[in-house]
Amino acid sequence: DAGITQSPRYKITETGRQVTLMCHQTWSHSYMFWYRQDLGHGLRLIYYSAAADITDKGEVPDGYVVSRSKTENFPLTLESATRSQTSVYFCASSVPLAGDNQETQYFGPGTRLLVL
Amino acid sequence: LAKTTQPISMDSYEGQEVNITCSHNNIATNDYITWYQQFPSQGPRFIIQGYKTKVTNEVASLFIPADRKSSTLSLPRVSLSDTAVYYCLVGPSSGNTPLVFGKGTRLSVIA
Repeated sequence: DAGITQSPRYKITETGRQVTLMCHQTWSHSYMFWYRQDLGHGLRLIYYSAAADITDKGEVPDGYVVSRSKTENFPLTLESATRSQTSVYFCASSVPLAGDNQETQYFGPGTRLLVL
Repeated sequence: LAKTTQPISMDSYEGQEVNITCSHNNIATNDYITWYQQFPSQGPRFIIQGYKTKVTNEVASLFIPADRKSSTLSLPRVSLSDTAVYYCLVGPSSGNTPLVFGKGTRLSVIA
């Protein structure tokens, strides 16, 4: 049971380059999320997706693009990376808890991105 | 979404019970209270969720008073491995509205 995976785990890039972070989940969860985590800010939601081909902005979407052509994949693209996008990026997916409609989010291991 | 307030950090000795309180004065009728735990260099993981009164699982207990304006996460007899950041989240039961993670409470367990 692979769960939710992210790749690459570590990435160094330069300002202005395009970078794509991959997220893959094996549970067929309908909801998927992208967060960034920076010191002093906690986790901030970038984008989320309720299902394939349905995406919506979160708290900090500027500079990022997402797509969801398949339920299991939710890639995050930095179209032109900036130093301020240096961060740890977490992908998550969610499923209702058994017995009711509450949901719990399962997080991937994270991608550490450094933009020089 | 209801805003939450929790202490920035807490210290505890091994073997002690730790209680982390979260305030959520504007909680809505259909909101649930959820706690996540995040170890260094890992993604957060769900630990407990509740709506009212008390919920207990193998990891923690969650106490919610009748007015639901606050909640307390209780960790029994903590060990060094419980050192982590604990997040309190409040939101509706469905997945239509994403949960908002605040800065959490950084718990440091000391030997």
